Amino acid sequence: LAKTTQPISMDSYEGQEVNITCSHNNIATNDYITWYQQFPSQGPRFIIQGYKTKVTNEVASLFIPADRKSSTLSLPRVSLSDTAVYYCLVGPWAGAGSYQLTFGKGTKLSVIP
Amino acid sequence: SAVISQKPSRDICQRGTSLTIQCQVDSQVTMMFWYRQQPGQSLTLIATANQGSEATYESGFVIDKFPISRPNLTFSTLTVSNMSPEDSSIYLCSVEGAGGEGRYGYTFGSGTRLTVV
Repeated sequence: LAKTTQPISMDSYEGQEVNITCSHNNIATNDYITWYQQFPSQGPRFIIQGYKTKVTNEVASLFIPADRKSSTLSLPRVSLSDTAVYYCLVGPWAGAGSYQLTFGKGTKLSVIP
Repeated sequence: SAVISQKPSRDICQRGTSLTIQCQVDSQVTMMFWYRQQPGQSLTLIATANQGSEATYESGFVIDKFPISRPNLTFSTLTVSNMSPEDSSIYLCSVEGAGGEGRYGYTFGSGTRLTVV
């Protein structure tokens, strides 16, 4: 499974856009990029998934360049409730028969009032 | 999306004893996964549980220490056996997501915070 590298921590003020970049130089052709959010004392929560270009949902946007060796999670206008750890995962999608999710260290986002 | 109920939410146990953690899903799922998250650390997969067959354990985890049951498509248990303080962690179960979480996402339980004294 492709190894991921992301910043250990980030700080942001409320109302700002936050971009968290993840490097995955060894991503395979059948790998997808998935981001999870984890609050203290809770399990991770799926945020967004993509394969290439841009994906947007009601929570975030995911930007993936053509070479797919990195990806950027964009959180628009963050609030205090977005303070959490964000994990970038790279691996084949569930239907490919490989179910292992390899979690990196994640990025601890702290939103400041 | 699937809803997972995990019990207990936390427990404090004496070393040498065992604790069984339950994971109940509100829909039938093929695979259930058990993770460990040590204090301040990321998640590590312990094993994958498929209904009707033996669980598949990841490197560093063995069945004698972490026996798993999967009696039906909505339920699984993980037992932490002969506990030591090093087993103090959060244990989470997970299933493939569906519906609003997208086809490829996974749903996690809220976890069981275990402290071994």
